[in-house]
Amino acid sequence: RKEVEQDPGPFNVPEGATVAFNCTYSNSASQSFFWYRQDCRKEPKLLMSVYSSGNEDGRFTAQLNRASQYISLLIRDSKLSDSATYLCVVNTPAGGFKTIFGAGTRLFVKA
Amino acid sequence: DVKVTQSSRYLVKRTGEKVFLECVQDMDHENMFWYRQDPGLGLRLIYFSYDVKMKEKGDIPEGYSVSREKKERFSLILESASTNQTSMYLCASSTTSGTTGDTQYFGPGTRLTVL
Repeated sequence: RKEVEQDPGPFNVPEGATVAFNCTYSNSASQSFFWYRQDCRKEPKLLMSVYSSGNEDGRFTAQLNRASQYISLLIRDSKLSDSATYLCVVNTPAGGFKTIFGAGTRLFVKA
Repeated sequence: DVKVTQSSRYLVKRTGEKVFLECVQDMDHENMFWYRQDPGLGLRLIYFSYDVKMKEKGDIPEGYSVSREKKERFSLILESASTNQTSMYLCASSTTSGTTGDTQYFGPGTRLTVL
């Protein structure tokens, strides 16, 4: 089993739709969690951190479920500019900390 | 704003050549990382460094070495390039202190093709 797993998609949604991605992680001792966004042929950039209490940034909401070991990202009112690959990132204790990137979920928002 | 720069955006080399990829960050970050990214495989960690002159192997260090002589600079070296090292190489940096602790900031990437 991969340490961090994501549905690769692609998710094809119309503008204005709500879309949700999940990401599961295998190490229950994992301590910090992030969503990154990567545009085609560009570097990954931090979208948001994921806190235990959940957090929201505009149209984006991230949630953490420690019991089931997954994090989620909800995008409301999708825009064309949201089209990108979304990477789930987990920091796991491994002699210091190890940062593990999921392979990403691709989103296409269409007019 | 954190800035991570990489020496080349595109690079074409021949099999057997020695290849140097340079990465510089301007935010005094302690930690620096080298990844490669391939379709369907995501980012895989090659090497990382938590301090000057310090290096640790990541998940796929074979065929690579690194150098960190100064805090701001982390170099990836392909001793003898092979075609299976054709990939996108991404450098990142992070700090363990402050509110941005653990967040990795990436350079624009170097797309390396080995012929």
